This record gives sequence, C-alpha cells and structure tokens, in this order.
Amino acid sequence: DAGVTQSPTHLIKTRGQHVTLRCSPISGHKSVSWYQQVLGQGPQFIFQYYEKEERGRGNFPDRFSARQFPNYSSELNVNALLLGDSALYLCASSPAETGQFFGPGTRLTVL
Amino acid sequence: SQQGEEDPQALSIQEGENATMNCSYKTSINNLQWYRQNSGRGLVHLILIRSNEREKHSGRLRVTLDTSKKSSSLLITASRAADTASYFCATRSGSARQLTFGSGTQLTVLP
Repeated sequence: DAGVTQSPTHLIKTRGQHVTLRCSPISGHKSVSWYQQVLGQGPQFIFQYYEKEERGRGNFPDRFSARQFPNYSSELNVNALLLGDSALYLCASSPAETGQFFGPGTRLTVL
Repeated sequence: SQQGEEDPQALSIQEGENATMNCSYKTSINNLQWYRQNSGRGLVHLILIRSNEREKHSGRLRVTLDTSKKSSSLLITASRAADTASYFCATRSGSARQLTFGSGTQLTVLP
C-alpha cells in the first residue's frame, strides 16, 4: 500500500509569491492534517480537514489556506510568501480524526 | 507554540548502549506519542501511550508516562547506528484535533 504522498519534494520561491503544496492520503483515510516544521524545531499544526470540512486551525496568518477534495487529497496554499515561511511542510492522514501517518514532506525555500 | 520540551536536545552514544530521552508537557493530555525523523524527512510513528497508562513496550522501545509530573521518557535499548535520528514527543489534549510536538532530541549512535 502506498503511504502518504506529497508533491513537490522541493520548491524554491521568492518573497511575495504564492505556493500550492499537495498531499494524497493513504487510501481510505478521510482526515488530512498539515504541519510546518522550521529547521531545528518540532512540527507546528496548521490545519486539519476531515470529510472535506475544516476541523482545526493552528495559529497561522490568513495567508495560509487549505482545502480537501472529494477524493480526500488536499492542498495547502500560502500567499505573499515571507522568508520565515521557509520550512518543511508535512501532511499526515488518518482514517479518523487522529492524524498519525506522515508523508515525506515538501521542503519550501523562500528567497 | 510547542507543548513542551525534550531533554536532552542532543545525545551521542556508542552502539549497544541504551538511550533515554525525556519529554515534558504543559497541559493535561489524552495521549502522548513518540515519533522518529531521519534527516529532515517525514515523521515515523513509534509508540502511543494513553493518559491512563504508565508504561508501554514495543520491541526495543520502552515508554513511561507520569501524568502527575507531566513528563514521559523514551528508552531505546541496545541502540544501533540506524537509530540515529531526531525523536519527538507529541501530545493530544482534550477535544483538540492536532498533535502538539516538542522540540526534539537529536540522537547520534556511533558505530
């Protein structure tokens, strides 16, 4: 069985641009969560979606948004990128509202 | 913000020795989980301990939980070079949807 997949693997953007990150959950999993991990720190929660509805939001500005599609895949969008948005973005999926299976992450670098 | 802290921040041991990492957290929890992360990649779930449990084993892993002290420890016995990674504790509290991670312990096992 395929695990959680994320694309792209790496991404380089400049300040002010926007970015879309994608996540495909494990087949049958209806919950997707997004985390941001800055270098040297633990992951911080951004969003959780379950059955296409937002079920939780972390302490991130409105520049961050997400959505979940009917096939349970998800996108994370970040507008007006700042240098501080450089991080590893992790997606986790689970069959219920308890995300435990993490993808490999997308490494975003903002120049 | 981080829920708690791991201690030590970095640990270096010889292959075959035991490694102990500690985690403290701030609020009451439903469960506490430990994850491993290799070289900034995705997180791998190691073990979950519920708030009404005091100790749990899985292979070479032993986790303890002391809810009165709001702390947990992860013991890896007979360590191997392949155990070299960052280890994070994460808690789930109340009706919260997300995991709240600590800052991690970087373990290096020398061959």
